[in-house]
Amino acid sequence: NAGVTQTPKFQVLKTGQSMTLQCAQDMNHEYMSWYRQDPGMGLRLIHYSVGAGITDQGEVPNGYNVSRSTTEDFPLRLLSAAPSQTSVYFCASSLNRGKNTEAFFGQGTRLTVV
Amino acid sequence: AQSVTQLGSHVSVSEGALVLLRCNYSSSVPPYLFWYVQYPNQGLQLLLKYTSAATLVKGINGFEAEFKKSETSFHLTKPSAHMSDAAEYFCAVTLSGNTGKLIFGQGTTLQVKP
Repeated sequence: NAGVTQTPKFQVLKTGQSMTLQCAQDMNHEYMSWYRQDPGMGLRLIHYSVGAGITDQGEVPNGYNVSRSTTEDFPLRLLSAAPSQTSVYFCASSLNRGKNTEAFFGQGTRLTVV
Repeated sequence: AQSVTQLGSHVSVSEGALVLLRCNYSSSVPPYLFWYVQYPNQGLQLLLKYTSAATLVKGINGFEAEFKKSETSFHLTKPSAHMSDAAEYFCAVTLSGNTGKLIFGQGTTLQVKP
């Protein structure tokens, strides 16, 4: 059981480049989300999805796009990378959006924008 | 609006000593609270969660947390620290409503000295 899989683990981008961070889960979870982790700021929610075809913005959505065409996949797209997007990105999924449902996290993608 | 504050970005204890990591929450409705642990270069893993069934919650690896409504706190404790407990710990709360979105505290890095 793979859980939540993120690729790539590491990435270096030049300012202005675009890329997609991949996230896949094999637990048939309804709810998926993307967070970024920055020192001293905890994890901040970028975008989330409550099911296939449904996405919404989180706390820090600017510069990122998402889509959810299948239950399993929830890619995060950086449209035009900026140094401020240097961060560690985590994808998470949970069985449903209930308030007491545990979130399962991927291993993270460490992104550096130069 | 819900929020979480973790007091102390770094906590250092000796092996065998008591671990106390502090978390205070702000919520206009009964909260659902979580503690997650992040080991170096890994994703987040659930330690324990409070869902109103019991105020003292036991988690994995000997950790426990007590929900105190009067103090709006959910501090994490472990009677005797092990070297393997060295990690970053995050307190989190779910937003009101059936959204499943997690709001994280800033994180506390636990150092365990031999």
